[in-house]
Amino acid sequence: DQQVKQNSPSLSVQEGRISILNCDYTNSMFDYFLWYKKYPAEGPTFLISISSIKDKNEDGRFTVFLNKSAKHLSLHIVPSQPGDSAVYFCAAIPKTGANNLFFGTGTRLTVIP
Amino acid sequence: SQTIHQWPATLVQPVGSPLSLECTVEGTSNPNLYWYRQAAGRGLQLLFYSVGIGQISSEVPQNLSASRPQDRQFILSSKKLLLSDSGFYLCAWTTGTGENQPQHFGDGTRLSIL
Repeated sequence: DQQVKQNSPSLSVQEGRISILNCDYTNSMFDYFLWYKKYPAEGPTFLISISSIKDKNEDGRFTVFLNKSAKHLSLHIVPSQPGDSAVYFCAAIPKTGANNLFFGTGTRLTVIP
Repeated sequence: SQTIHQWPATLVQPVGSPLSLECTVEGTSNPNLYWYRQAAGRGLQLLFYSVGIGQISSEVPQNLSASRPQDRQFILSSKKLLLSDSGFYLCAWTTGTGENQPQHFGDGTRLSIL
């Protein structure tokens, strides 16, 4: 049972425009949410996170929004750059457990120059 | 600074052969350690995690096992590989203290079973 879902397997955006990656979850025990970026043949790299007590967290060009009532979060990248082209994974940590991550299936972002 | 090493980067093994993948972390003490697998077209699935030497928790029943013989060493093993064991295996660590700590990943091992 996939508790974290990324329904868009791919997304193409023009350079300089905004990229919006979406993620939905089903488990109300999730307490902390993260986005990872992954290039081919490499491990995922931590990008940005948000606690369930917040609805927005910003770090440079990256902003994560959390809507707890809808069990939905999104990652905004603005402006998008060709180097942002990668697979983005949404992940969640429940309130209990040894920081175990539940991952979505990923969205492949392509930024077109 | 902390670093995580996984090897080998790629591995081709015949069905029924044994497996040993190794992961080591440097620059930190008593980390939580994790093994994940990404099968083709799927997200990352947690296989095992460890909060200390000799302490292993299994998340998914399967053909694999894990061991933690030293504080910063995590090993993924199998006695007899199956075709379904093919995938991309990732080791990760996080600090053992505090909640909601991001996990940091190695570069993975791509395992192909023939």
